[in-house]
Amino acid sequence: DIQVTQSPSSLSASVGDRVTITCRTSQSITSYLNWYQQKPGKAPNLLIYAASILQSGVPSRFSGSGSGTDFTLTISSLQPEDFATYYCQQSYTAPYPFGQGTKLQIK
Amino acid sequence: QVQLVESGGGLVKPGGSLRLSCAASGFSFSDYYMTWIRQAPGKGLEWVSHIGSSSTYTKYADSVKGRFTISRDNSKNSVYLQMNSLRAEDTAVYYCARDNVDRYGDYFDYWGQGTLVTVSS
Repeated sequence: DIQVTQSPSSLSASVGDRVTITCRTSQSITSYLNWYQQKPGKAPNLLIYAASILQSGVPSRFSGSGSGTDFTLTISSLQPEDFATYYCQQSYTAPYPFGQGTKLQIK
Repeated sequence: QVQLVESGGGLVKPGGSLRLSCAASGFSFSDYYMTWIRQAPGKGLEWVSHIGSSSTYTKYADSVKGRFTISRDNSKNSVYLQMNSLRAEDTAVYYCARDNVDRYGDYFDYWGQGTLVTVSS
């Protein structure tokens, strides 16, 4: 099975900062990598699929890049509503593990 | 609009069984794969199982294989998760999600609100 490693596990940043979260897989998954945002007590929300395609309705400050085994999620200018936990997920082959999550906190 | 509503969670003793349901509306249910994902208290997301649009294809995480069974009834726009031989480590919020399968892979574009399963004596 493909393993997914996400880093960092937590991150402190300020409104307006640019932040990057990294996801690495144990073997190449081409571009089959998705990103989700989860706020406390809520279901996750799809942000990006296929490594770089922005889900409808998601603000353009979110972007994704990468292919093969290394991927990044970038938030270009943090807004107050972006403080949440972010997960990557590989969809190259089932089972489809998620990364461990990155909790983005206000500095 | 797309809606997914889970039900069937609750408190069950170790070794017991529970059946979760997820009622879908707002889209052509029979055209989509469906997925169950769980989240233990204070922990991350764990993919559990998914099922193809016509039930001919199912897949499970190793942690639930042989104990959980996913099924669907397209006439009722519903997907189910039968959970047997439950363990304390199965305690989690269980989410159903629409599994969009296309040339971009599998991605979960709509989620339910979740139902809590607690396994405890």
